[in-house]
Amino acid sequence: DAKTTQPPSMDCAEGRAANLPCNHSTISGNEYVYWYRQIHSQGPQYIIHGLKNNETNEMASLIITEDRKSSTLILPHATLRDTAVYYCIVRMEYGNKLVFGAGTILRVKS
Amino acid sequence: EAGVVQSPRYKIIEKKQPVAFWCNPISGHNTLYWYRQNLGQGPELLIRYENEEAVDDSQLPKDRFSAERLKGVDSTLKIQPAELGDSAVYLCASSFQGAHQETQYFGPGTRLLVL
Repeated sequence: DAKTTQPPSMDCAEGRAANLPCNHSTISGNEYVYWYRQIHSQGPQYIIHGLKNNETNEMASLIITEDRKSSTLILPHATLRDTAVYYCIVRMEYGNKLVFGAGTILRVKS
Repeated sequence: EAGVVQSPRYKIIEKKQPVAFWCNPISGHNTLYWYRQNLGQGPELLIRYENEEAVDDSQLPKDRFSAERLKGVDSTLKIQPAELGDSAVYLCASSFQGAHQETQYFGPGTRLLVL
């Protein structure tokens, strides 16, 4: 699985959009970009995933660049409850383990 | 629908003692994972089951760790004997292999402290 690079931490004002970047320059054509988050003392929570098209669900939007070497997770209106560690993971769609990096600590402040 | 259930949530033991963790996956999920998460790090896979078969246990320290999923549903992870370095959060996850989106869903974890 390709390696990902994320900033160690970010701050965001409550009510504003949180844009979390991820670099995955060695991604191969059949690897997906997955995002999970982990709120303190809880297990990781699935957010969204995509291959090459932008994706949106009730939690977030995922923007993948045309060359697929980077992506951005967007939380459109961040709340205090979105404070968590956000993990960007590249993996095959089926069967492979999730390889977690250090992630980005997102702090949403009022 | 119930999520992944793990017990106990917390466990404190002395080194050299045995300990066991239990996981009940989401109903219908045929794939089960055990991860270990050390403080300040992301989770790392220990073992993956497809039904009752362990298909990836390459990261499981087999001298002291064992796991089973006898009927292809719930699973137990055991450490015997525990060492100080085993202090971590042990996470269980499950997924349905064969679905278009094989999303892993995690339980709350068991926080182990070895003294």
